[in-house]
Amino acid sequence: QITLKESGPTLVKPTQTLTLTCTFSGFSLSNSGVGVGWIRQPPGKALEWLALIYWDDDKRYSPFLKSRLTVTKDTSKNQVVLTMTNMDPVDTATYYCAHRRMGLDVWGKGTTVTVSS
Amino acid sequence: QSVLTQPPSVSGAPGQRVTISCTGSSSNIGAGYDVHWYQQVPGTAPKLLIYGNSNRPSGVPDRFSGSKYGTSASLAITGLRAEDEADYYCQSYDSSLSDSGVFGGGTKLTVL
Repeated sequence: QITLKESGPTLVKPTQTLTLTCTFSGFSLSNSGVGVGWIRQPPGKALEWLALIYWDDDKRYSPFLKSRLTVTKDTSKNQVVLTMTNMDPVDTATYYCAHRRMGLDVWGKGTTVTVSS
Repeated sequence: QSVLTQPPSVSGAPGQRVTISCTGSSSNIGAGYDVHWYQQVPGTAPKLLIYGNSNRPSGVPDRFSGSKYGTSASLAITGLRAEDEADYYCQSYDSSLSDSGVFGGGTKLTVL
């Protein structure tokens, strides 16, 4: 059974860097074809793609946020870490990580991040 | 404004059939990238409904079906039920955006 769980701060100040960790079980990120994606959803708004890291360490970022995003994986710890720099109130959202094999087939429950001074 | 365009809302009575369109371009759906569909009940995480344009994951009822044609895709729901009321999102990838993933703006389905 595949599970994912997002963790990190619930409140960050403007200009700070956000670091979120996705801890997963039930699969290995060293298996061919597997990836872990990050998606966010501002309150009342649509899903927004952020980043995806593949088993071979290939990475894909939203070009609209690429300059602010970094995604890394630690296969031994079954974790994927997303960092987003220079946070702004418009970045307030629920952040999800998801297993990618055939589509984003298993999602974490999400973690809510508020950006406010 | 989303790269993939969906109608903001659709509605139907119980038992009816509804379709949700997802319109893209030659750099995403038209470029051959697969389209996936997700269902999101408010307050919960999205759930994969259709993958690879027309495939249902285990446990998804066959009332849900997907298709792709040219630069567009469509999700059809037959035999509408009250529990189908949710937001639906299409997703693909885009070669003009460095193969980044892209979502549609979402469609709110109301069961009358």
